[in-house]
Amino acid sequence: DVVMTQSPLSLPVTLGQPASISCRSSQSLVHRDGNTYLIWFQQRPGQSPRRLIYRVSRRDSGVPDRFSGSGSGTDFTLKISRVEAEDVGVYYCMQGTQWPQTFGQGTKVEF
Amino acid sequence: QVQLVESGGGLVKAGGSLRLSCAASGFTFTNYYMGWVRQAPGKGLEWVSYISHRDPTTYYTDSVKGRFTISRDNAKNSLYLQMNSLRTEDTAVFYCVRVDGDYGYWGQGTLVTVSS
Repeated sequence: DVVMTQSPLSLPVTLGQPASISCRSSQSLVHRDGNTYLIWFQQRPGQSPRRLIYRVSRRDSGVPDRFSGSGSGTDFTLKISRVEAEDVGVYYCMQGTQWPQTFGQGTKVEF
Repeated sequence: QVQLVESGGGLVKAGGSLRLSCAASGFTFTNYYMGWVRQAPGKGLEWVSYISHRDPTTYYTDSVKGRFTISRDNAKNSLYLQMNSLRTEDTAVFYCVRVDGDYGYWGQGTLVTVSS
């Protein structure tokens, strides 16, 4: 199985400041169809996971543009340009390229 | 719009059984693999099982093999998870998920609590 490793696991943040989460995979996430199925989810306290970013960098409808995804191959990053209060929660990366799909451990973003 | 609505969770004693259901709407159910993801209290997300859209190709994480059975009824646009021999460590919120490359559709989750 592909192992997804996130860092850091806990991320203290400051309002208005940038933040960044790393996600590394044990194997390349480039699918034979040419796409890279790397997804970022946000889970706010008490809520279901919500997809923020898919295929590395495509932002979902309604997701603020302060969120961005980047990377390639085995190394990926989620960036928040200016943290807002509503951004607290746990962020997970997930790979959908190889069966079975696998998640990172989660990064807790808190003030 | 796409909707996935889980039901069937609840409180059960260790060794008991539960059957989870997921009612799907807003998309052509027979075109997609479907799956279950769980989240134990205070823990991360874990894929439990998935099933192909037509032939019964299935996957189970090791900890549930032989105890859980995933199935689907394409005529009813429904996904199921039969859980037998439940253990306290199976306590979790179970999410129904549409399996495609981008994983954008999740249900709201149903809580399964297994007591000792």
